[in-house]
Amino acid sequence: SQKIEQNSEALNIQEGKTATLTCNYTNYSPAYLQWYRQDPGRGPVFLLLIRENEKEKRKERLKVTFDTTLKQSLFHITASQPADSATYLCALSHGSSNTGKLIFGQGTTLQVKP
Amino acid sequence: NAGVMQNPRHLVRRRGQEARLRCSPMKGHSHVYWYRQLPEEGLKFMVYLQKENIIDESGMPKERFSAEFPKEGPSILRIQQVVRGDSAAYFCASSPRQGDYEQYFGPGTRLTVT
Repeated sequence: SQKIEQNSEALNIQEGKTATLTCNYTNYSPAYLQWYRQDPGRGPVFLLLIRENEKEKRKERLKVTFDTTLKQSLFHITASQPADSATYLCALSHGSSNTGKLIFGQGTTLQVKP
Repeated sequence: NAGVMQNPRHLVRRRGQEARLRCSPMKGHSHVYWYRQLPEEGLKFMVYLQKENIIDESGMPKERFSAEFPKEGPSILRIQQVVRGDSAAYFCASSPRQGDYEQYFGPGTRLTVT
C-alpha cells in the first residue's frame, strides 16, 4: 500500500544551523510534492511545491529536493531561527489523477533553540 | 483579501447529534478540499468539491458523512449521529485551479463529541 514517512522524532537544532527534514514514500509515483508548515492549533501553510521533473527548488532560506529514483524529498532551512520552530508536513499528489488531492505525511516537529 | 474561513472554530456535540462545519474559500477559488486530522495523526483527505459538484469523495466514510458546495454560500461538511471517534480537527483548503497548485488552508474546526 502507499506509504509516506517523515521522521516522527522531533528535530532539535541550534539557531543558525541548517535543518534538514526527510520525506520518504513507497508504492507511489507522485506528479508533485509539497511542503507545508503547521503551528499548534492552526491550519497548514504552504511553503514550496516541486514537480517530478524538477530536482531542486529554492525560496529564500528554504530549499527542497525531489529524487524520484530514491523516492525521497529533503527539505532544508538554512540559517534557522527560533521562529522556524513548527511541524513541517510533506504532501504528495495522489498518483496521476491530478485532482489536487494530497496525501500527507505525519509531519516532523522542528525545535530551533536560541 | 480574506483567507479561507471556517466556522465554528470549536464545536461540541453530544453523541447522536449532528455537526455542520462551514468553509468559505478564498475569493476567486472554486475548488475546495476537506481534510481531517485525528489526535496524533496526520491530515487525511476526505473530499474534493467544485461548485455544485463532488469530484472525489474517496476519503469520506460511507455512512453519516456528507459534503456540499452550493452555487451560493459556503461549503458544508455534515456529520450525522456523531460518535466519539469523530472528534478531530477538520480543515478545509481552497485552490484557484485543479491539479498541482498550492492549497490555502483555513484555521480548522475542532469537533469534540462528548
